Amino acid sequence: SQQGEEDPQALSIQEGENATMNCSYKTSINNLQWYRQNSGRGLVHLILIRSNEREKHSGRLRVTLDTSKKSSSLLITASRAADTASYFCATASVWGNTPLVFGKGTRLSVIA
Amino acid sequence: DTAVSQTPKYLVTQMGNDKSIKCEQNLGHDTMYWYKQDSKKFLKIMFSYNNKELIINETVPNRFSPKSPDKAHLNLHINSLELGDSAVYFCASWTSGQETQYFGPGTRLLVL
Repeated sequence: SQQGEEDPQALSIQEGENATMNCSYKTSINNLQWYRQNSGRGLVHLILIRSNEREKHSGRLRVTLDTSKKSSSLLITASRAADTASYFCATASVWGNTPLVFGKGTRLSVIA
Repeated sequence: DTAVSQTPKYLVTQMGNDKSIKCEQNLGHDTMYWYKQDSKKFLKIMFSYNNKELIINETVPNRFSPKSPDKAHLNLHINSLELGDSAVYFCASWTSGQETQYFGPGTRLLVL
C-alpha cells in the first residue's frame, strides 16, 4: 500500500532560491531515497539516507530524516531552471527484497 | 553498458490488443520488479520476482502476466489492453547487499 506523502504537491520558485520538499511515511524503514523525474523521462536516483542517519548532503542537496516523526525533507539550495522536475521520496523496508514505496511526488518549477 | 534496459521505450496500440514489454538487467541481480506510473505520476509496485519466482502480486488484473525466463529477464505481457492501462511501466532490479534498486528507463504505453 502507498505510504509516502510528499508536501507540497507543487512548488514554484525563482532561480537562486532554495526549495524544500517534505515526505512522510507510515512504517519502519531501512532507508529513504529521493528520486528526480524530468517530464517524460525516467527516474534519477538523487540521494539515500539510512534509518540511523539524520542528515546527509550531496552537492546542492540536503536530506534530513526524522524517524520519530516518520518524515524526511529534501532541500535544494540555489535552485536552477534545470532543477525543474518532479521529486519523489521512496522508502525501503527492513525486508531487503520488498519493493520501494513511493510518495506522490512534488512538482518543482524553477523560474529563470 | 545499460544496467537495466526495457523494450520498447514507447508503445502505442489499440484497445483490445495484446502486447509485451521486456526487461533485462546485466547486474547479476536476483530480484526484479515491475512498477506502474499512472497519469497522475503515482508510482506503484505491480510484481516482484526473486530467482524467477513470483513473490509479490499487488492485486493486478490477471490480464497482466509477468514471466521470468531467467534471473536476468522479467517480461510483462498484457492481454486485452484497456484505456486505463495507459501508463509508464518501470522495471527495476535488486540484490542482497544493495541499498537501492536499479531502474530501467521506462516504457510509455498509450492505449487508444
